[in-house]
Amino acid sequence: NAGVTQTPKFRVLKTGQSMTLLCAQDMNHEYMYWYRQDPGMGLRLIHYSVGEGTTAKGEVPDGYNVSRLKKQNFLLGLESAAPSQTSVYFCASSSWSPQETQYFGPGTRLLVL
Amino acid sequence: GDSVTQMEGPVTLSEEAFLTINCTYTATGYPSLFWYVQYPGEGLQLLLKATKADDKGSNKGFEATYRKETTSFHLEKGSVQVSDSAVYFCALVYTGGFKTIFGAGTRLFVKA
Repeated sequence: NAGVTQTPKFRVLKTGQSMTLLCAQDMNHEYMYWYRQDPGMGLRLIHYSVGEGTTAKGEVPDGYNVSRLKKQNFLLGLESAAPSQTSVYFCASSSWSPQETQYFGPGTRLLVL
Repeated sequence: GDSVTQMEGPVTLSEEAFLTINCTYTATGYPSLFWYVQYPGEGLQLLLKATKADDKGSNKGFEATYRKETTSFHLEKGSVQVSDSAVYFCALVYTGGFKTIFGAGTRLFVKA
């Protein structure tokens, strides 16, 4: 049972480049989330999804887009990376709400030069 | 706005010492409260939670009590081990809400 997996683990981008982070869960969870973790700031919600085909903005959505075409996958896109997007990105899922246990992936470390 | 404040780290303890990590929150309603733990190189894992005032969450020797009167959810453990070295996050979620508000995290180092 893999739980929540994220691809890639680490990436270096130049300013203006684009990339997609992939999150996959095998627990049949309805809710999925993308967070970013910055030093001294805890985790902040970027976007979330309450089911296949749905997405919604979180606390810090600017500069990111997401898609949930399949229930088990949640993609986070950066169309034009900026140094301010240097961070560690975590994907999480929960069965039906964030009040239930959220299961986190191992994270993707992104450096934008 | 709603917020979670944790004591600044790092906290350094010797093995078998008593641990307290303070967490206070500001909220307009009655949220559920959580402690998550992040071990080096890993994602967060739920440690314990409490859904209403005076509830006590407990797991792996850790415990925390939801105190509405002091808006606090302090994490305690009677005897820490080296394996408890990690970053601990306090968090809140409203019933029916979609957003989890995390504290900044408190790093714990336990020396043998």
